[in-house]
Amino acid sequence: DAGVIQSPRHEVTEMGQEVTLRCKLISGHNSLFWYRQTMMRGLELLIYFNNNVPIDDSGMPEDRFSAKMPNASFSTLKIQPSEPRDSAVYFCASSSDRFEAFFGQGTRLTVV
Amino acid sequence: SQQGEEDPQALSIQEGENATMNCSYKTSINNLQWYRQNSGRGLVHLILIRSNEREKHSGRLRVTLDTSKKSSSLLITASRAADTASYFCATRRSNDYKLSFGAGTTVTVRA
Repeated sequence: DAGVIQSPRHEVTEMGQEVTLRCKLISGHNSLFWYRQTMMRGLELLIYFNNNVPIDDSGMPEDRFSAKMPNASFSTLKIQPSEPRDSAVYFCASSSDRFEAFFGQGTRLTVV
Repeated sequence: SQQGEEDPQALSIQEGENATMNCSYKTSINNLQWYRQNSGRGLVHLILIRSNEREKHSGRLRVTLDTSKKSSSLLITASRAADTASYFCATRRSNDYKLSFGAGTTVTVRA
């Protein structure tokens, strides 16, 4: 297995544009996490899914953020409209039940 | 809010020395995990300790867990320059699947 795959690796967009981040889970994993990492706030859990169902989205900062799992192996995180304060590195991670999580390489988002 | 808090925030040691970092958490947990992050990369899992375990070893890593104090420590023995990274503790709560991370400890190993 190639591990958790995120795309794109880097994204630069203008304020107000829609941004979609993508994540492919490791085959067989049933939990999916989206995190955001900044110097100021560290690693924040935005939302996590278990068996394709969103369990806790209390970390999603605003209604501008939405996440989906259309199937067991794929997830998207969408920001619409994007703002400069959304600039961060976004990670997704997958795991099997309560074991260790495997992280993707992250998407570095810059909103100008 | 962060579930775990690491201490110290930063640590600088000489190659060959041991590095110890601590983690405190707030709620009841199923397990506690430690991760490493090299600059610009994703986090990599190092070791998992269950709530009914008190100590665990993996290579040069030693993890302890004290559930009565809601704290854990990570010891890296005989450090190497390649151990330079940020180290995070993460907790899995007992009642759900949530995996929450602390602020991390930045470790610099000087050659």
